[in-house]
Amino acid sequence: DIQMTQSPSSLSASVGDRVTITCRASQNIANYLNWYQQKPRKAPKLLIYAASSLQSGVPSRFSGSGSGTDFTLTISSLQPEDFATYYCQQSYSTPITFGQGTRLEIK
Amino acid sequence: QVQLQQWGAGLLKPSETVSLTCAVYGTSFSDFYWSWIRQPPGKGLEWIGEINHSGSTNYNPSLKSRVTMSLDTSKNQFSLNLSSVTAADTAVYYCARGDPSMIQDYWGQGTLVTVSS
Repeated sequence: DIQMTQSPSSLSASVGDRVTITCRASQNIANYLNWYQQKPRKAPKLLIYAASSLQSGVPSRFSGSGSGTDFTLTISSLQPEDFATYYCQQSYSTPITFGQGTRLEIK
Repeated sequence: QVQLQQWGAGLLKPSETVSLTCAVYGTSFSDFYWSWIRQPPGKGLEWIGEINHSGSTNYNPSLKSRVTMSLDTSKNQFSLNLSSVTAADTAVYYCARGDPSMIQDYWGQGTLVTVSS
């Protein structure tokens, strides 16, 4: 199985901050990397697919980059509704696997 | 508007079988893969497997011996059975639509399944 490792596991930030979350794959996954946002008691929501493509309806303050084994999710200016848990996911091969999550909290 | 609506029993005893169903609305059933993903309380996400419109399945090896997925194309529904459950199977179970690149873009609302004696 491909192991996905996110860092940090948790992060405190303020409204307006620029935030970056990192995801590393245990092997080359090209650009088969997706990012999800999950709020408490809700299903995950797709933000970014294929490493850098913005899902329809997602605000442009979210962006993704990377290829191979190292990827980043950046939120350019945090808004109150962005405080949530973020997961990366590899869809390069089955079994599909997720990172352990990054909890973004209000400072 | 794409919607996935899921249901199933929420409380089971050890050794019983989880049975969940997901109904799909507002999208072609035949152009996508249909996945199940679970999340233990306070923990991360685990992909259980997927099924396509022709009934071809792909299961997570860690659960393969206990998982069966099926579908009813006449109703645009797909189902999950997970047998011989233990407390470790306690989780919120989600159904989701996957595209050919295995990207899950629409999710059901989730069903909490609790295994307790």
